[in-house]
Amino acid sequence: KAGVTQTPRYLIKTRGQQVTLSCSPISGHRSVSWYQQTPGQGLQFLFEYFSETQRNKGNFPGRFSGRQFSNSRSEMNVSTLELGDSALYLCASSLAQGAPGYTFGSGTRLTVV
Amino acid sequence: DAKTTQPPSMDCAEGRAANLPCNHSTISGNEYVYWYRQIHSQGPQYIIHGLKNNETNEMASLIITEDRKSSTLILPHATLRDTAVYYCILRANYGQNFVFGPGTRLSVLP
Repeated sequence: KAGVTQTPRYLIKTRGQQVTLSCSPISGHRSVSWYQQTPGQGLQFLFEYFSETQRNKGNFPGRFSGRQFSNSRSEMNVSTLELGDSALYLCASSLAQGAPGYTFGSGTRLTVV
Repeated sequence: DAKTTQPPSMDCAEGRAANLPCNHSTISGNEYVYWYRQIHSQGPQYIIHGLKNNETNEMASLIITEDRKSSTLILPHATLRDTAVYYCILRANYGQNFVFGPGTRLSVLP
């Protein structure tokens, strides 16, 4: 079966712009989590959605937001981009909130110039 | 912060067993030990998890000490494709996100 699909794979944006990243979970998976990965901070949790509701949130500023649709697809948005937002953004899906064995996508690499 | 401690890097000869240690001395009774790995430029891949019994699947074995304060991930016959960063993570199953530490960079050498 298809894995977790993230689009786009690569993105270049300018400081001050906003960006929307998309994640399509594995069919039947209802929980979607987002992580940011940078060389300096490693993998950091952004937020988790289940049944269209944000269930858990990491320590990121309000510029980072997300949502989940009724088909479990999720988007995350970053407004007023900063150079430090350059990172690999990873999405993971699972059957339910807190279920074991999250499956990660290949990520979206965002570069802010 | 991650609640686990792993060596930053390890080498292993191709075809030999790779034994990756993890210390988690403050583990709580309801926390599982999870292992993920991340091959360069890809998302993390689930390997195995366990609570207190040893576990084995087609990828690896997980050995957890009786006091649960440490564990070892064993890749029985390492190949070059097993070169990756391996993360040991503690997580209670419900309502908790994964907290990734820096992991162990395993290099499998020909």
